[in-house]
Parts: sequence; structure tokens; C-alpha cells
Amino acid sequence: NAGVMQNPRHLVRRRGQEARLRCSPMKGHSHVYWYRQLPEEGLKFMVYLQKENIIDESGMPKERFSAEFPKEGPSILRIQQVVRGDSAAYFCASSPAASYNEQFFGPGTRLTVL
Amino acid sequence: GIQVEQSPPDLILQEGANSTLRCNFSDSVNNLQWFHQNPWGQLINLFYIPSGTKQNGRLSATTVATERYSLLYISSSQTTDSGVYFCAVGANSKLTFGKGITLSVRP
Repeated sequence: NAGVMQNPRHLVRRRGQEARLRCSPMKGHSHVYWYRQLPEEGLKFMVYLQKENIIDESGMPKERFSAEFPKEGPSILRIQQVVRGDSAAYFCASSPAASYNEQFFGPGTRLTVL
Repeated sequence: GIQVEQSPPDLILQEGANSTLRCNFSDSVNNLQWFHQNPWGQLINLFYIPSGTKQNGRLSATTVATERYSLLYISSSQTTDSGVYFCAVGANSKLTFGKGITLSVRP
């Protein structure tokens, strides 16, 4: 049973470009979470999604960031018009159901903004 | 929101030594997990332990939910145990992470 998959593992963007980060949850998992690890700031929750629904986006920056988890395909975290402060490691996690909520983490995507 | 404090912030051990890492949290939770972030940045699940005691090889963990703390025990430490150990807690799906404990195990 493959774990949580994230791609790309490393992403380099210039200021003003768009970044798209993909996450495929573990087989049988319908809950996806995104976290960001900024240098010197630790790991912070961004957004929680189920298929076709955003459940909690209380940790998402108000502008330029969006997330989706379509009926088919991976979850996407999209960052428009990236700035240097967006450079961070972005982790995706998945869990099987609300009644059993252990979260399993992917390897992360390291975004570098030049 | 929930506050999570981990101690000590840094720990240096000689290979073979034992250690205890502590996690205090400020509110009732229904999820508590311990992770090891290795030098390559990957987060490795160690324990899902909202209450009780679990053991996995040289590692064990105990959570006393009524007193709002959890302990991670590492016995006979090895150099491969080096890295950052995170405690994360949750009450409504999202996890709140502590700042981590940086462990260095010297040969």
C-alpha cells in the first residue's frame, strides 16, 4: 500500500510565477490536509479538504493561495504570484475517516522562490 | 487555539543512552501524534497516541490525557535517531505542532 505521494519533490519558481503542488492520498483515504513548514516558524496547518469540499481553511493566507480536492485526481495546492516569503516545505497528509484521524504525511514539496 | 510546548528544545546524547522527550498541551484533544523529522526533511510517524501507552522497538510513548501531557522514550539511542522530534495534537481534525526537540546522538 503506497504512502502519501507528493510531487514535485522540489520546485523552483521566480517571483510572480505560479506554483502547483500535488498530493495523492493513501489508498482508501478521503481526507487531505496541507501544512507548511517555514524556516524558523515550525509546521502550521493550512487547509483540510474532503472530496470536492473544503472543510477548514482557517490556516490559508487570504490571498494568492487556493486548494482543491476534486472527485478524480490528486489534491492541488496552488500559489499564484509567488513571493520569496513563500519559500518553504509544503506537506500533505491524509487520513481514512473522521472517526479514525491519525494523519499520514507525504515526503513534502520544497518550494524555492528566486 | 491549542498551545503545544515541547521540552527540552535541544538534546545531545552519547550513543547507547536513554532519553525522555516531553509534550505539554493546553486543552482536551482527540488526536496526539509523535513524529521524527529526519535530516532529509521527511516526517516519519512514530506514534498515534491520544491516550495510553504504546511501544515500538526501542521507542515507547505515554499520554496522560487528563493531565495534558505526553512522553516519548528513546532507549539505547543510535546515531540514526538524530533529527527533530515533533509532538502534534488535534481536537477537530487539524494538527497543531510543537516547535520540536532537536536530538543529536553522538557515536
